Amino acid sequence: GAVVSQHPSWVICKSGTSVKIECRSLDFQATTMFWYRQFPKQSLMLMATSNEGSKATYEQGVEKDKFLINHASLTLSTLTVTSAHPEDSSFYICSARVSSGSGNEQFFGPGTRLTVL
Amino acid sequence: AQSVTQLDSQVPVFEEAPVELRCNYSSSVSVYLFWYVQYPNQGLQLLLKYLSGSTLVKGINGFEAEFNKSQTSFHLRKPSVHISDTAEYFCAVIRGGGSYIPTFGRGTSLIVHP
Repeated sequence: GAVVSQHPSWVICKSGTSVKIECRSLDFQATTMFWYRQFPKQSLMLMATSNEGSKATYEQGVEKDKFLINHASLTLSTLTVTSAHPEDSSFYICSARVSSGSGNEQFFGPGTRLTVL
Repeated sequence: AQSVTQLDSQVPVFEEAPVELRCNYSSSVSVYLFWYVQYPNQGLQLLLKYLSGSTLVKGINGFEAEFNKSQTSFHLRKPSVHISDTAEYFCAVIRGGGSYIPTFGRGTSLIVHP
């Protein structure tokens, strides 16, 4: 199946700094990528939909100025958490959608654990 | 709008016993249904999916699920679990003809005891 990678897999940063997380589709082109946030023992919460070459679409309640998304190419989307605070600590997961007859299946990255001190 | 209900937050079971993880959905239109597994500190891995055709779907690691339209259910089953099946399981639904963005259930933690 299609492979999606994320980098870094985990990151610890000081409060007030910015952190960039990369999401790459390794063996296919993804016009659409998604960013999710997952709190412990909870389900995935969709943060935004990232379309190559256009602005991301953010879900209600997600601050677009805090969570900057850039989808510069068909294989790379980045999420930058700006001025991170401890409440931003979470598990961030990206996925890439393959547009095909298979119900537009999504392939998920391994996730990035962010800890803000 | 669509929603997904996973009634059981946690399912403990002994090794080699059968298991069923329940998933119900609500949608007034056709849907695509998925089950994903998540191991600790990892992303989601697709177990199986129902798009159309046979209502009994077989996936990886010996799992299967049955789509029941009248019951609006898509329960996941395995006849004999292993310790390595201990993980979080998520049911997801995509509404056909929509934005193709999945709605996830809250997840069910399967705990397999020796």
